[in-house]
Amino acid sequence: AQSVTQLGSHVSVSEGALVLLRCNYSSSVPPYLFWYVQYPNQGLQLLLKYTTGATLVKGINGFEAEFKKSETSFHLTKPSAHMSDAAEYFCAVSDLRGQNFVFGPGTRLSVLP
Amino acid sequence: KAGVTQTPRYLIKTRGQQVTLSCSPISGHRSVSWYQQTPGQGLQFLFEYFSETQRNKGNFPGRFSGRQFSNSRSEMNVSTLELGDSALYLCASSSTAAGSNEQFFGPGTRLTVL
Repeated sequence: AQSVTQLGSHVSVSEGALVLLRCNYSSSVPPYLFWYVQYPNQGLQLLLKYTTGATLVKGINGFEAEFKKSETSFHLTKPSAHMSDAAEYFCAVSDLRGQNFVFGPGTRLSVLP
Repeated sequence: KAGVTQTPRYLIKTRGQQVTLSCSPISGHRSVSWYQQTPGQGLQFLFEYFSETQRNKGNFPGRFSGRQFSNSRSEMNVSTLELGDSALYLCASSSTAAGSNEQFFGPGTRLTVL
């Protein structure tokens, strides 16, 4: 069974600092990988996804993530945090049919002025 | 294209009652999944429907059920509500089109059980 771990349930960064949110997955076959963001009282919004091809994936709002098969990781980064980035971030995997989504526990990002 | 819509957005019920939540997927999407989100358990998969058939099911008691209609709209029902059922219930739809594999989420229905 697939599983997703996200190191750090809460991450705080200063405005303008690097954002790094960690995601590791457990799967016998490299799955499809996703990062979603959730703002308060809203649903989840897709930030970016990796399916095949280039392992460095760029998403919306300046975020990017790199798929590292050898490390079974898909960490999310943004060079410079903005106050509007404060939200909860979820890493997710699916099988190669785009089914059986499994979400990580989420990381709450706080951005300090 | 309109996004995933969920109704109602907020609901207050008492223990023992039942509740029905509705989800309208993005036009053309035939897969609808339901999730329960709570502070303690995070996002937990309830079930997925595809072309009116339940395709996958999470580990929830039989009090939680769902269905999908021919227009892909879906409903989920929770009977004999318990305090622990208080949560944000999220619906997500996805397409079977080639190259399209992410889930699109609705805003959720926040259920409070008193």
